[in-house]
Amino acid sequence: NAGVTQTPKFQVLKTGQSMTLQCAQDMNHEYMSWYRQDPGMGLRLIHYSVGAGITDQGEVPNGYNVSRSTTEDFPLRLLSAAPSQTSVYFCASSKPGYGYTFGSGTRLTVV
Amino acid sequence: AQSVAQPEDQVNVAEGNPLTVKCTYSVSGNPYLFWYVQYPNRGLQFLLKYITGDNLVKGSYGFEAEFNKSQTSFHLKKPSALVSDSALYFCAVRGSGAGSYQLTFGKGTKLSVIP
Repeated sequence: NAGVTQTPKFQVLKTGQSMTLQCAQDMNHEYMSWYRQDPGMGLRLIHYSVGAGITDQGEVPNGYNVSRSTTEDFPLRLLSAAPSQTSVYFCASSKPGYGYTFGSGTRLTVV
Repeated sequence: AQSVAQPEDQVNVAEGNPLTVKCTYSVSGNPYLFWYVQYPNRGLQFLLKYITGDNLVKGSYGFEAEFNKSQTSFHLKKPSALVSDSALYFCAVRGSGAGSYQLTFGKGTKLSVIP
């Protein structure tokens, strides 16, 4: 049982480049979300999805896109990377009444 | 809107002493409350949760948390701290209503256990 799998673990981008952070879960969880973690800021919600075909914005959605074509996958797209998007990104999944299961994170640096 | 406050950025405690990491919350309706721990360069690990029932919740690694509805608090406790407990601790809340999936985190408390 793999849980929540995130790839890549590390990435360096140049300003203006685009990329996709991958997230997959094998627990048949309805809910998936993306957070970013910055020092002293805790975890802030970027986007979330309550099921295939349904996505919504969280607290800090600007500069990011998501889609949910299947229950298992929830990729996060950076459209035009900026240094302010340097962060550690976590994907998480959940089902009603339960806590979240987190991936191991992607450390992104934008130069 | 729901929110979580962790009033202490850092807590220092001597090994063997009891520890407390504080958390207060705000949410509409009944809360679902969680504690997570993060070790350096690692993801978040689930420690314990309060959904309903007993106000004292026991979790992993000897940790427990006390839910206090009147004070809207959910403090994390351990009777005897270990050096290996040194990590970053996050409190989180979500609503209990149908479709209330969003989990809101506090800013985290760094726990340092001194040998």
